[in-house]
Amino acid sequence: DQQVKQNSPSLSVQEGRISILNCDYTNSMFDYFLWYKKYPAEGPTFLISISSIKDKNEDGRFTVFLNKSAKHLSLHIVPSQPGDSAVYFCASSGGNMLTFGGGTRLMVKP
Amino acid sequence: NAGVMQNPRHLVRRRGQEARLRCSPMKGHSHVYWYRQLPEEGLKFMVYLQKENIIDESGMPKERFSAEFPKEGPSILRIQQVVRGDSAAYFCASSQAGSSGNTIYFGEGSWLTVV
Repeated sequence: DQQVKQNSPSLSVQEGRISILNCDYTNSMFDYFLWYKKYPAEGPTFLISISSIKDKNEDGRFTVFLNKSAKHLSLHIVPSQPGDSAVYFCASSGGNMLTFGGGTRLMVKP
Repeated sequence: NAGVMQNPRHLVRRRGQEARLRCSPMKGHSHVYWYRQLPEEGLKFMVYLQKENIIDESGMPKERFSAEFPKEGPSILRIQQVVRGDSAAYFCASSQAGSSGNTIYFGEGSWLTVV
């Protein structure tokens, strides 16, 4: 059973607009959430994280929102840039490892 | 401060051979994780190790796969008698402490192709 789900396999956004990537989880024991960005043939790169005691964390163009009651988190990128085109993975932590969603491929069109 | 180092980056093995993938964690990190990404799939947890100890191997296939993180030297993921289905990208990650509340940093990956 998938404990972390990213229901949109792909997302296309115009440069300068906002990109919103979504992630749902089922395990209420998860207490730390992260977003990673991945280019082809490279490893995942850490972007931003949020603890379960917060509902928002911001770092430059990236903001992560956490809705614990809905078991939902989202990553907002604004303004989106062509260099943001990549696969984005959300991950949840609550034990010995991170559990990853299946990823969303973001394409930012110039 | 060097990141997580993995080698080889690319490895080709014939069916039945052994594959050894190496991982040196970030400086100051004593927790190592191995993940696998099969083609067109997400990242799947395999094993979590600390120095000389396997903490969680719940994601490891029961046969042919083993991992170690010795007192000295890199962590090794070993795949014996490889089959075509083992072809994947294998990512190592490390953290200062356990994953809960701590960021895990990934290496660039080792791409295994079994022919």
